Amino acid sequence: GESVGLHLPTLSVQEGDNSIINCAYSNSASDYFIWYKQESGKGPQFIIDIRSNMDKRQGQRVTVLLNKTVKHLSLQIAATQPGDSAVYFCAESSGSARQLTFGSGTQLTVLP
Amino acid sequence: DGGITQSPKYLFRKEGQNVTLSCEQNLNHDAMYWYRQDPGQGLRLIYYSQIVNDFQKGDIAEGYSVSREKKESFPLTVTSAQKNPTAFYLCASTPGQGNEKLFFGSGTQLSVL
Repeated sequence: GESVGLHLPTLSVQEGDNSIINCAYSNSASDYFIWYKQESGKGPQFIIDIRSNMDKRQGQRVTVLLNKTVKHLSLQIAATQPGDSAVYFCAESSGSARQLTFGSGTQLTVLP
Repeated sequence: DGGITQSPKYLFRKEGQNVTLSCEQNLNHDAMYWYRQDPGQGLRLIYYSQIVNDFQKGDIAEGYSVSREKKESFPLTVTSAQKNPTAFYLCASTPGQGNEKLFFGSGTQLSVL
């Protein structure tokens, strides 16, 4: 079946550096993508989303890039802070059901 | 504050016991969802409801049951048929009508005694 996956399960970055978290998807019909941040013992929080008619979208300190040719999604976090340490999930949806399918997540650790 | 409230935060189940996890939302959202999260894994859909008095099975519905008698409430029962219930359970909602952005509760950690 279709799946959403992540390249790396863990990522460590120095405080102040930029972080890039990657996500691959396999469903060529996926047309909506979303990133969530989940801190330990808490529910996921929405970060940013993008539709397939765009290839880039920016938020506050975050940017999502979508490459439909290679079915790849990335989340860039500028000037990473200790509070950014969390698990980051990508998810996608397609078709009439409009339900999100989640990847397994990347653990981001910010080093002092 | 508008949001989704899950209770309890922690829950323990004895062998052969059914337990019910509560989920309440005051966002006036039409659709509600239950996900299961195991350590180091993504979210798997258990059940969802797009309208009151209607619900559908997700990918891992066996051993679980739900009801949707009110728009605001979507309780999940973990039955004794669920042999591996230890997990973090997340409730979520969306406005519906093709808006798939999920709003999540804070989760319930269920463990087996």
